[in-house]
Amino acid sequence: AQSVTQPDIHITVSEGASLELRCNYSYGATPYLFWYVQSPGQGLQLLLKYFSGDTLVQGIKGFEAEFKRSQSSFNLRKPSVHGSDAAEYFCAVEVTSGTYKYIFGTGTRLKVLA
Amino acid sequence: DAGVIQSPRHEVTEMGQEVTLRCKPISGHDYLFWYRQTMMRGLELLIYFNNNVPIDDSGMPEDRFSAKMPNASFSTLKIQPSEPRDSAVYFCASSRGSSGYEQYFGPGTRLTVT
Repeated sequence: AQSVTQPDIHITVSEGASLELRCNYSYGATPYLFWYVQSPGQGLQLLLKYFSGDTLVQGIKGFEAEFKRSQSSFNLRKPSVHGSDAAEYFCAVEVTSGTYKYIFGTGTRLKVLA
Repeated sequence: DAGVIQSPRHEVTEMGQEVTLRCKPISGHDYLFWYRQTMMRGLELLIYFNNNVPIDDSGMPEDRFSAKMPNASFSTLKIQPSEPRDSAVYFCASSRGSSGYEQYFGPGTRLTVT
């Protein structure tokens, strides 16, 4: 069955430090992968997406993600974190067998220390 | 564009009462999605529509839940009768297409059933 795993429920980093959020997926075909961010009290906003081609994808707010087929991973990175990055981050895989839907991971809540 | 609009933002009701959540998608978007977010189960797709027609309602938890989309600019999610375990944040999202298209999320409705 298709699934998305985000192994880290909470991550705390200092402002200015680098960040990597992990995402592993299980999907039989070539996946369409997404990272969304949810600020407190808000809906989800797309950070970036991967369909094919270059495995390093650039997104908004200085985020990037790398698709690694051999590891079934799509980790999100940012070289220098700001306080405003404190939020919850969701990885998702698009499933199109029969119908079309996203399968979301359980999310990683990021805390940024000043 | 104002984005996806949801109302009410907060709803508190007593067990057994009917609850109706409302959503106005972004104009021109053909797809509309209803999600539920809880601590225990994360973000789950309940149902989605294409051109006002329900396509996949396999995520609707039980017959107490129903959703309609009478026209391209309005959708409702109804719970009747409501139960405390329905307490969650309900998100509506819309997109211009299916595979590969970004979903735009509303701010959500926080439902509390006492």
